[in-house]
Amino acid sequence: GQNIDQPTEMTATEGAIVQINCTYQTSGFNGLFWYQQHAGEAPTFLSYNVLDGLEEKGRFSSFLSRSKGYSYLLLKELQMKDSASYLCAVLNYGQNFVFGPGTRLSVLP
Amino acid sequence: DSGVTQTPKHLITATGQRVTLRCSPRSGDLSVYWYQQSLDQGLQFLIQYYNGEERAKGNILERFSAQQFPDLHSELNLSSLELGDSALYFCASSVVGEGGELFFGEGSRLTVL
Repeated sequence: GQNIDQPTEMTATEGAIVQINCTYQTSGFNGLFWYQQHAGEAPTFLSYNVLDGLEEKGRFSSFLSRSKGYSYLLLKELQMKDSASYLCAVLNYGQNFVFGPGTRLSVLP
Repeated sequence: DSGVTQTPKHLITATGQRVTLRCSPRSGDLSVYWYQQSLDQGLQFLIQYYNGEERAKGNILERFSAQQFPDLHSELNLSSLELGDSALYFCASSVVGEGGELFFGEGSRLTVL
């Protein structure tokens, strides 16, 4: 089967650091993607991991451990505009993207 | 702008009706995916096409059907609509899928009254 888990909601303070976790069990693995989605808008690509380790992109970093079926997205220097849902997605052997339920992040002043 | 175009942006219709949603992928992208997102829910995969052929099927109802045309645009047909079909329908495209990210259109918001 295929299963991706993320926390439903998180809250953090402006300027802080937050880590959003994602665990997965899928039929094959060809990469893990993180997307940001503001309410009512289309998801936008944030990061991609296919090998174990950390990928850094400005204020955003993503980590992958394939043996543990685990990834996290790290957001630094949080800004109010970072309030959004963050979706973890796995590309499986069928070349299909399976999305997690998303984590709704609220950034408070 | 992702380069993926979806029409219409908004659609209001009645139960029992039929609608067609249209998607034009990014230039050069052969794969088209359709997702349904109900209010405050995650993205539910419906169906994927690659270069005109159906490649994968998710939780797509029998009342729904889709196709990808030779020019690579795709249409999602929703029939015998029910109140529960009200949702945002996203189309996304990618180069091939292997390591290629998904680019999403702005979505078609369907309201069934």
